[in-house]
Amino acid sequence: DAKTTQPNSMESNEEEPVHLPCNHSTISGTDYIHWYRQLPSQGPEYVIHGLTSNVNNRMASLAIAEDRKSSTLILHRATLRDAAVYYCILRGNSGGSNYKLTFGKGTLLTVNP
Amino acid sequence: DAGVTQSPTHLIKTRGQQVTLRCSPISGHKSVSWYQQVLGQGPQFIFQYYEKEERGRGNFPDRFSARQFPNYSSELNVNALLLGDSALYLCASSLSGVGSYNSPLHFGNGTRLTVT
Repeated sequence: DAKTTQPNSMESNEEEPVHLPCNHSTISGTDYIHWYRQLPSQGPEYVIHGLTSNVNNRMASLAIAEDRKSSTLILHRATLRDAAVYYCILRGNSGGSNYKLTFGKGTLLTVNP
Repeated sequence: DAGVTQSPTHLIKTRGQQVTLRCSPISGHKSVSWYQQVLGQGPQFIFQYYEKEERGRGNFPDRFSARQFPNYSSELNVNALLLGDSALYLCASSLSGVGSYNSPLHFGNGTRLTVT
């Protein structure tokens, strides 16, 4: 599986935007970039995914670099409820590997009031 | 709508014992996956079942087994428990199985297993 690299931790203030980076220099052409987050004492929660174009949904935005070797998850206005571990995951659609998610350690986001 | 439900929420077992964990997927979801999450690490894939057949298996010993029932619920069994099996066991369901890379996984809140 192609690997992703994320900072161990980041800190933000409430109501400010947060940009969570992810490097994936060995991404293949068929790999989708998925983001999940895990709040304390809960299972992971799907956030967003994309292939090449930037994506928006009600939770966040995903900005994908033109060469696809990196991406950024954007939380437009952080709330205390956004404090979680954020995982950037590559999910391919070939070779029978798309059934699983390969989690790294993720980025622990702390939101200050 | 009910999410993925797992039971029990907490469990304490002794080394050498066997344990069965249960998972009910979201209604309409036919795919169930199991993950193990050790403290401080991300979840690690154990199994995926789709339409009652095993479709994927992670790097876990044969002491770990699972099955999916006709109603798409699932059980994870672990035999001969070791101290290192202490972890949060997560179940996830999704609409589709192999070949559907865009189908998000919906996770339950897990079963916390402690082996003493």
